[in-house]
Amino acid sequence: AQTVTQSQPEMSVQEAETVTLSCTYDTSENNYYLFWYKQPPSRQMILVIRQEAYKQQNATENRFSVNFQKAAKSFSLKISDSQLGDTAMYFCAFMKHQDSNSGYALNFGKGTSLLVTP
Amino acid sequence: NAGVMQNPRHLVRRRGQEARLRCSPMKGHSHVYWYRQLPEEGLKFMVYLQKENIIDESGMPKERFSAEFPKEGPSILRIQQVVRGDSAAYFCASSPIRGGYGYTFGSGTRLTVV
Repeated sequence: AQTVTQSQPEMSVQEAETVTLSCTYDTSENNYYLFWYKQPPSRQMILVIRQEAYKQQNATENRFSVNFQKAAKSFSLKISDSQLGDTAMYFCAFMKHQDSNSGYALNFGKGTSLLVTP
Repeated sequence: NAGVMQNPRHLVRRRGQEARLRCSPMKGHSHVYWYRQLPEEGLKFMVYLQKENIIDESGMPKERFSAEFPKEGPSILRIQQVVRGDSAAYFCASSPIRGGYGYTFGSGTRLTVV
């Protein structure tokens, strides 16, 4: 079974600063996908960024970028120029490749609560 | 495109009653997934359905829980004889193809059993 670990239950950052959220995972698969989801107080699950394991280049989406270290099984999220609207729970998630058995189920970590302060 | 629609947003049931949670996937999406989120936890996979078929229900409790995705209408997650431990947020997601590209989630239904 794949496990996803987020070791930081809570984090805080000042507006306009940069923050990095950690995520490690355990798998014997070679091809898979990694995701970061944001869950604001509205409870909506919003896809922030997606990484395909066979791609060495780190994914970026505007102010959000990842540091994907496949050998270390690490997938951290960096938020630059933090904004008040970034306050939310952030979940790291793993999915096997769609050709694999159960290559459709997301395995989530327990989340990191991020607070952006003025 | 209205996104993934879940209703009701909040549902209160007394112990022993039935709960029915509805999910309308995004237009053009034929793959539906249900997840449960317990307090202070991440989401846990429950079931994967395609139109009229249950593909994988390995994450569903064996008793009292069932899911369907009929040819017409929304997907339904049904919990019979609810107990306090069923209190959670239940999320539905949909995708145009199986897995891979990440899903679009609905806003969830928060079930409270009193």
